[in-house]
Amino acid sequence: DAGVIQSPRHEVTEMGQEVTLRCKPISGHDYLFWYRQTMMRGLELLIYFNNNVPIDDSGMPEDRFSAKMPNASFSTLKIQPSEPRDSAVYFCASSFGGLSTTGGITYEQYFGPGTRLTVT
Amino acid sequence: GQQVMQIPQYQHVQEGEDFTTYCNSSTTLSNIQWYKQRPGGHPVFLIQLVKSGEVKKQKRLTFQFGEAKKNSSLHITATQTTDVGTYFCAGPHSGTYKYIFGTGTRLKVLA
Repeated sequence: DAGVIQSPRHEVTEMGQEVTLRCKPISGHDYLFWYRQTMMRGLELLIYFNNNVPIDDSGMPEDRFSAKMPNASFSTLKIQPSEPRDSAVYFCASSFGGLSTTGGITYEQYFGPGTRLTVT
Repeated sequence: GQQVMQIPQYQHVQEGEDFTTYCNSSTTLSNIQWYKQRPGGHPVFLIQLVKSGEVKKQKRLTFQFGEAKKNSSLHITATQTTDVGTYFCAGPHSGTYKYIFGTGTRLKVLA
């Protein structure tokens, strides 16, 4: 498996522009998470989905942020309009919320390589 | 809200020295996970602990879950330059799949 795929890897945009980040989870995983990482705030969970349904979006900073998961193999995180304070690394992660191959229940998350967003 | 704190925030060690990072949760956890993030990389899952007082080892790494299931530790014996990175613990928000990540401990190993 190729792992979690994110695009673009780097994005530089001007304040006020719309930004769309994309994620392809690992096939068969039923949970998808969007995180934001900054030096000041660390690794923050923005939203997570189960079977394509948003479960908890309490971490979404404000209405400028929105996330969708139209099917099991694709998710987007959109920022409109973007602001300089949105500059961060955005990670997508997926996991399988069930029994592992060893029989135990594990919820390990597989992270994508991240998208480094710079808003000028 | 639920908080997960780690100490120390930074640690510089000489290669060959031991290293320990501590993780403390404001609430009891059903399980705790540890991740490693190399500089410029993404978090990579290391292990999950579930039972009170559980101890697990991975080569030079020893993970422990506290008896009260509110704290955990990661100990690295005889550090190597490949151990460089930030180590995060993560605990689930009560009854959910929402994992709260700790503040992380950044480890630097001096050769």
